[in-house]
Amino acid sequence: EDKVVQSPLSLVVHEGDTVTLNCSYEVTNFRSLLWYKQEKKAPTFLFMLTSSGIEKKSGRLSSILDKKELSSILNITATQTGDSAIYLCAVEAPTGNQFYFGTGTSLTVIP
Amino acid sequence: EPEVTQTPSHQVTQMGQEVILRCVPISNHLYFYWYRQILGQKVEFLVSFYNNEISEKSEIFDDQFSVERPDGSNFTLKIRSTKLEDSAMYFCASGLRQGAGYTFGSGTRLTVV
Repeated sequence: EDKVVQSPLSLVVHEGDTVTLNCSYEVTNFRSLLWYKQEKKAPTFLFMLTSSGIEKKSGRLSSILDKKELSSILNITATQTGDSAIYLCAVEAPTGNQFYFGTGTSLTVIP
Repeated sequence: EPEVTQTPSHQVTQMGQEVILRCVPISNHLYFYWYRQILGQKVEFLVSFYNNEISEKSEIFDDQFSVERPDGSNFTLKIRSTKLEDSAMYFCASGLRQGAGYTFGSGTRLTVV
């Protein structure tokens, strides 16, 4: 079964738009939730979230975890074409030995 | 910035052949992982490795797979007798400690023909 579900599966926006990507999970007692950006090959790390309600921010990207709702969102403001990528959400298993990945949201930003 | 290095970047092999995918994790990291991503599908966990032994493995990681840390720097994934469905991007990752996130390598694209 899918432990991590991301939505939408794909999104096409214009430059300058703001987008919100969703991640919901069914992993109890997880250790952390991570967001990655995947362009051509390897996922690159964006954020790690462990505490509910605390926003992590990096430039135009921000993310927050809601443990009550078992979800996280990734916001990108003033999108640029370079933001086009697949955004992956991953939840760390209680054992700490693996992460469960969602299928990703494919974001396309058109000029 | 330290990085995880994987070689080769692309490997083509005939069905039934053995392949070894190589990874050099970040030098002070202690936790090592292999994931794979079949084209168009999600990233799937294969195996985690700590203290010279497997910590956890998925259903995908059956007897045809093995991992080794033959020396202090390399971490290898061996696939004996490859099948067509083993074609995927294989990612190595390493982490300093659990709960701290980890760094992915750039991947090896394995094509089994």
